[in-house]
Amino acid sequence: SQTIHQWPATLVQPVGSPLSLECTVEGTSNPNLYWYRQAAGRGLQLLFYSVGIGQISSEVPQNLSASRPQDRQFILSSKKLLLSDSGFYLCAWSVGANEQFFGPGTRLTVL
Amino acid sequence: QQQVKQSPQSLIVQKGGISIINCAYENTAFDYFPWYQQFPGKGPALLIAIRPDVSEKKEGRFTISFNKSAKQFSLHIMDSQPGDSATYFCAARGHNFNKFYFGSGTKLNVKP
Repeated sequence: SQTIHQWPATLVQPVGSPLSLECTVEGTSNPNLYWYRQAAGRGLQLLFYSVGIGQISSEVPQNLSASRPQDRQFILSSKKLLLSDSGFYLCAWSVGANEQFFGPGTRLTVL
Repeated sequence: QQQVKQSPQSLIVQKGGISIINCAYENTAFDYFPWYQQFPGKGPALLIAIRPDVSEKKEGRFTISFNKSAKQFSLHIMDSQPGDSATYFCAARGHNFNKFYFGSGTKLNVKP
């Protein structure tokens, strides 16, 4: 069966510090991968999605970036965090045209 | 521009009652409509989904009603239980099959 991992589960970072969040998927090949951000009490904002290694589509211009160095690995990064980057970051995967499955999320607090 | 509009933002239902959450969309190219359930601090989990060639789909206490002509779909939770208290998101799959558009979420509170 397929599983999706995200780490860390929680993170507290100062403004201006770098960020690296990692997502890995097991049990499937060539998945579509997604990064979402969810602000407190809000909906899901699609940040990036990837249909293959090295292929990244950005949905929202911001100080975040994404990379996909391996088929089942998706990384969200920032060089300098802003207060507004705080939120709940969710990684998701899908295969073909089917529904998305979400990871457990990373709670990021920028102070 | 929000592709999928969801209402209400919050909902309080007594135990045993029916919870109804509504969503509307504009893009007729959308071809798959899932609902997700999210508990605090957790990722959303797929609950039930429907395709536009079907008007209703039922799984246990959860039913999706789909009105293609009105471009609306809704989630009905029958015999609502306190354990159903969560945030619910509707979604629609885009025409390129790679993107899903999510509603803003409905926070459901089922009172015992």
